[in-house]
Amino acid sequence: EAQVTQNPRYLITVTGKKLTVTCSQNMNHEYMSWYRQDPGLGLRQIYYSMNVEVTDKGDVPEGYKVSRKEKRNFPLILESPSPNQTSLYFCASSLSGQGANSPLHFGNGTRLTVT
Amino acid sequence: KNQVEQSPQSLIILEGKNCTLQCNYTVSPFSNLRWYKQDTGRGPVSLTIMTFSENTKSNGRYTATLDADTKQSSLHITASQLSDSASYICVVSAIKAAGNKLTFGGGTRVLVKP
Repeated sequence: EAQVTQNPRYLITVTGKKLTVTCSQNMNHEYMSWYRQDPGLGLRQIYYSMNVEVTDKGDVPEGYKVSRKEKRNFPLILESPSPNQTSLYFCASSLSGQGANSPLHFGNGTRLTVT
Repeated sequence: KNQVEQSPQSLIILEGKNCTLQCNYTVSPFSNLRWYKQDTGRGPVSLTIMTFSENTKSNGRYTATLDADTKQSSLHITASQLSDSASYICVVSAIKAAGNKLTFGGGTRVLVKP
């Protein structure tokens, strides 16, 4: 089944403890991206990747890192999480760039709580 | 600044009735406009994608319209079902030199009651 898989679904951590949220897609998509969704603010892009080894900042990149060593994987890294990073995170992929007429396929989200 | 505004923020409709959601945008230069459906606790799922030259696109009981001149789009749900209860997100793509840029609306939360 074609899908975007994020892990974990739920994560509770403490301030400053490094964490990684994994994202994997099995559709051979070139484009992958990370979003956070907060009440009243909608979806905001954190980072995106047009292809392997090509990543760029989105609208809210501060406090996050990403890497794209393989086409299928696009992990989101929080080196030193803070409470303002408590949010619902989504990974997405599409066949080509975000402007092309190919839809984004989203994972089912990771709910992160930082205390 | 590129913006996408959706209205209403939320609405309640009775099962079997129709409803229309609105999306106004100031994104330019325009590439395409998308509507997504997001069930509670799940990732958004694509409903339609429309380019500049498309006025209407349907996906089952969902029909999206686009007026690129007035920069408005609507999503019409026909004969609503309980499973239509979800948030509907309008997303507009702008053409950029380094790869297009998506701007997300805040969504409209729809509740269908029996």
